[in-house]
Amino acid sequence: KQEVTQIPAALSVPEGENLVLNCSFTDSAIYNLQWFRQDPGKGLTSLLLIQSSQREQTSGRLNASLDKSSGRSTLYIAASQPGDSATYLCAVKTAGSQGNLIFGKGTKLSVKP
Amino acid sequence: DVKVTQSSRYLVKRTGEKVFLECVQDMDHENMFWYRQDPGLGLRLIYFSYDVKMKEKGDIPEGYSVSREKKERFSLILESASTNQTSMYLCASSTPTPSGRMREQYFGPGTRLTVT
Repeated sequence: KQEVTQIPAALSVPEGENLVLNCSFTDSAIYNLQWFRQDPGKGLTSLLLIQSSQREQTSGRLNASLDKSSGRSTLYIAASQPGDSATYLCAVKTAGSQGNLIFGKGTKLSVKP
Repeated sequence: DVKVTQSSRYLVKRTGEKVFLECVQDMDHENMFWYRQDPGLGLRLIYFSYDVKMKEKGDIPEGYSVSREKKERFSLILESASTNQTSMYLCASSTPTPSGRMREQYFGPGTRLTVT
């Protein structure tokens, strides 16, 4: 059974710092991996989607990488801002799961001015 | 832009009531999903549907049912609400690529349900 782990559970950094969020998964037979952002009490906003054949995706200050063989993904945030404060979730679609995602429990990021 | 809307942001119901949570997407997506999110447990899939009138159980379907009569609408039904169903409920939709792989899932704003 696929399990997704995100470490650390919480992270606090000063504004302007570059940071990396980690995601690991136990079954490397994935179709894709998706990173989401969730603000308190709100729904999820999709940030980046990496297909299993890709190594990385970039959007603005965000860069997500995928190493399927080792079961790892990282989300790199450059020049962090207080507005980046949120919980970041990664989720994988595993072969045979008919579309549903398996989620990690998230990393709560706080960027202090 | 894909838009997924949910009928209520906040809902308070009494134990034993029948509860309907509605989700509508405007991008003609084939797949729709219902999750619940609880502190310490993360998001867990309740039910999903990959076509009209089709449904599949997720990881925690007990106490729930779903209805998909039209492509754009996916309803989650709590037949007899209980206090352990107090949670944040999130709806999502997506569409498969021609090869059958999955594009992004887009989420609604969530419904925070409290059962007293």
